[in-house]
Parts: sequence; C-alpha cells; structure tokens
Amino acid sequence: SQQGEEDPQALSIQEGENATMNCSYKTSINNLQWYRQNSGRGLVHLILIRSNEREKHSGRLRVTLDTSKKSSSLLITASRAADTASYFCATDGSSNTGKLIFGQGTTLQVKP
Amino acid sequence: GAGVSQTPSNKVTEKGKYVELRCDPISGHTALYWYRQSLGQGPEFLIYFQGTGAADDSGLPNDRFFAVRPEGSVSTLKIQRTERGDSAVYLCASSSQGGVGELFFGEGSRLTVL
Repeated sequence: SQQGEEDPQALSIQEGENATMNCSYKTSINNLQWYRQNSGRGLVHLILIRSNEREKHSGRLRVTLDTSKKSSSLLITASRAADTASYFCATDGSSNTGKLIFGQGTTLQVKP
Repeated sequence: GAGVSQTPSNKVTEKGKYVELRCDPISGHTALYWYRQSLGQGPEFLIYFQGTGAADDSGLPNDRFFAVRPEGSVSTLKIQRTERGDSAVYLCASSSQGGVGELFFGEGSRLTVL
C-alpha cells in the first residue's frame, strides 16, 4: 500500500522556474525522504528530513516538513532541463528497520 | 562494483514459468530491500533482510513470491508460476544499517510476463 499522496501528479515548467511538489502521508514518522528517478532508472536519494526538523536545504533543493499536517514539500529552485524526472517522497512509518513507504510520485518536465 | 547491481536488467517469460531475479548490494551493507514498481506508480515494499534473515516480509503479495539471502550479501527474489500481473520493475536497495538513513537502489529488473 502507498503511504503518501503527491501533488501534483505531473508538472511542466520552463527552465529557470521553480518547481514545488507536495507530499502528504498518513502515519507518524521518524523521518521523510525525497528520491528522484530518471526514466527507466533506479531511485536516487536527494534529501532526508527528520521529524523534529522543519526545513532543510541541499544545493537548489529545499524541503519543508509539517508533522502536524502530515505533509512535506520539495522545492527545486532555478530548474534545469536535467531536473526532468519523477520525484517521490518516502516515509518510514516510525519503523526502525529502514523500510520506506513511497508515494505515487510527481513527474516533472523542465522545458529548455 | 560501487553500486547495487541487479540482474537480469530485462526478463521476458511466459505465464506459469519460474523466475529468479538477483541483487548484489553494496559491499558491507547489512540491510537489503526488495520493492516492486508498476508503471506510473511509486515503489511498493516487498521484503527486508537484515543480514541473512528476512526481518519483514509483509509486502510479499502471496506465496508464489519468495526471497533468500543465504550469506548475508547477494539476494535472490524467486517468483513461481508467474502471472501477467507480476509484470513490473523489481527494485533492490541496500543500506549500511537498516535504520534511519538513505537507501541505495539498483537499476531494477524489468519483468514481463506474456
């Protein structure tokens, strides 16, 4: 079963614009992670935010977490054509096994 | 190799056949995970190994699916009596601790059941 829902399902923007993707989840968590997947490839970890953190930055990525609303957002600033991919949020459901439950993903297209 | 390696990258089989998919995790990673991803969907958890033992197999859809990791390194996902609905990309991931932290994914094995 899927833990989270992501919004929007698809997003198309021009190079240089910012892209914002949202994720909602259902259970309590220890941490939330974002992954990226290029078409036909495996997933690549982008960023992890712990349940006691509200915001985290990594390069052009900014992630926020609101545990009271059970939601997170991923912002990609100054997008590039190479950012075209699917983006997934994943939560651990408070488990200590490292097992992650993924959302449905947002497909981002960045037009040059 | 430096990353998680999965073989075969593509497998086409006929309904009712037996299939094995192999995962070679990053050296030293004790935790290994199998996921299944259908087109347009996020990965769905199948099974988690800590060392040689299956610590959580709650995601296996039925008893046609089985996975082993006999020496705590390479893992094999086995699917018996394949059905068309088993068609998907099977992803393997590993991590160094099996606790809080990122998973390192392989490129996946695309299974097509005709």
